[in-house]
Amino acid sequence: DIQLTQSPSFLSASVGDRVTITCRASQGISSYLAWFQQKPGKAPKLLIFGASTLQDGVPSRFSGSGSGTEFTLTIGSLQPEDFATYYCQQFNSYPQTFGQGTKVGIK
Amino acid sequence: EVQLVESGGGLVKPGGSLRLSCAASGFTFSSYSMNWVRQAPGKGLEWVSSISPTSDYIYYADSVKGRFTISRDNAKSSLYLQLNSLRAEDTAVYYCTRKNYYGSIGYYDSWGQGTLVTVSS
Repeated sequence: DIQLTQSPSFLSASVGDRVTITCRASQGISSYLAWFQQKPGKAPKLLIFGASTLQDGVPSRFSGSGSGTEFTLTIGSLQPEDFATYYCQQFNSYPQTFGQGTKVGIK
Repeated sequence: EVQLVESGGGLVKPGGSLRLSCAASGFTFSSYSMNWVRQAPGKGLEWVSSISPTSDYIYYADSVKGRFTISRDNAKSSLYLQLNSLRAEDTAVYYCTRKNYYGSIGYYDSWGQGTLVTVSS
């Protein structure tokens, strides 16, 4: 099974900060990676698929990069509504595992 | 508008059974692979099971293999998950998701609101 490790598990940041979250895969997954945002009590929301393609309607301050085993999600300028937990998920093979999550909190 | 509405969750005793349903609307259900993802209270997301459009391909997480059964009824635009031999660690919100593709790249673009399954005596 492919393991996904996100870092950090938690980060605190201020509005306007640039934030970067890393997702590392235990083996190469090409660009078969997606990023989700989840707020408390809500279903996850797709942000990015194919490692770097922004889902329709997602603000352009979100961006994704990487391929193979190392991927990043960047929030260019953190907004109040971006405080949430972020997950990566791989679609290279089954089981289609998730990272453990990164909680972005208010500094 | 794509809509996925789960139902069937509830409180069940260890060893018991439950059947979850997901009613889909706003898209051609029979053209999409569908999936179940769960989230234990305060924990992360866990992929549970996937089923191809015509049910030819079915996959399960090791943690549920042999106990859970995924199925679909394309005529009713519905997805199901039969949960048997339930354990306390199966307690979670269960989400129904749609898998879309961009070329060969798959991704879950739509999620239901989730249904809570609680396994407790």
